[in-house]
Amino acid sequence: AQSVSQHNHHVILSEAASLELGCNYSYGGTVNLFWYVQYPGQHLQLLLKYFSGDPLVKGIKGFEAEFIKSKFSFNLRKPSVQWSDTAEYFCAVNAGDSSYKLIFGSGTRLLVRP
Amino acid sequence: DAGVIQSPRHEVTEMGQEVTLRCKPISGHDYLFWYRQTMMRGLELLIYFNNNVPIDDSGMPEDRFSAKMPNASFSTLKIQPSEPRDSAVYFCAWRHPPSGNTIYFGEGSWLTVV
Repeated sequence: AQSVSQHNHHVILSEAASLELGCNYSYGGTVNLFWYVQYPGQHLQLLLKYFSGDPLVKGIKGFEAEFIKSKFSFNLRKPSVQWSDTAEYFCAVNAGDSSYKLIFGSGTRLLVRP
Repeated sequence: DAGVIQSPRHEVTEMGQEVTLRCKPISGHDYLFWYRQTMMRGLELLIYFNNNVPIDDSGMPEDRFSAKMPNASFSTLKIQPSEPRDSAVYFCAWRHPPSGNTIYFGEGSWLTVV
């Protein structure tokens, strides 16, 4: 069965610090990968996605992620975080088959201190 | 994000009462998903539909839960009878083919069962 692991459950950073959130998945076949963000009290919004092609994917708000197939990883990065990036971040995967159902990691809560 | 209407946005109900959550996705979608989010269990896929047909309901926790999609523009998730452990945020999500394999989320229904 597919699974997604996010090892950092809570991250606290100061503004302008660099961010990297880890995401590993277990599935041997073709995958589609996603990062979603959930601001306090809101729904999930798509940050970026990877389907194929260039493994370095750029998303909204200055976020990027790199797909490393050999490591089954899809880590999220941002060079300089802002207070407004305080949110919970979810990595998700679907199997690249026709079901499109997403399996989510447990999420990482990011707190950015001004 | 593509729009969707979920209702009610917030509901507080007493244990034993029937709860019906509603989702009206954007037209042109093909897959519709119901997810539940709790602190303890994170984001769980309950059920999903393809062109109004239920495909996989293995995530539905108990027989108290049921979901229908009578037409392409409307879906319901019903809990009868409700229990305090059903308290969660319930999200409707959908795939909009013109946007590729991306899944978009509605704003959620925040349910509290007392």
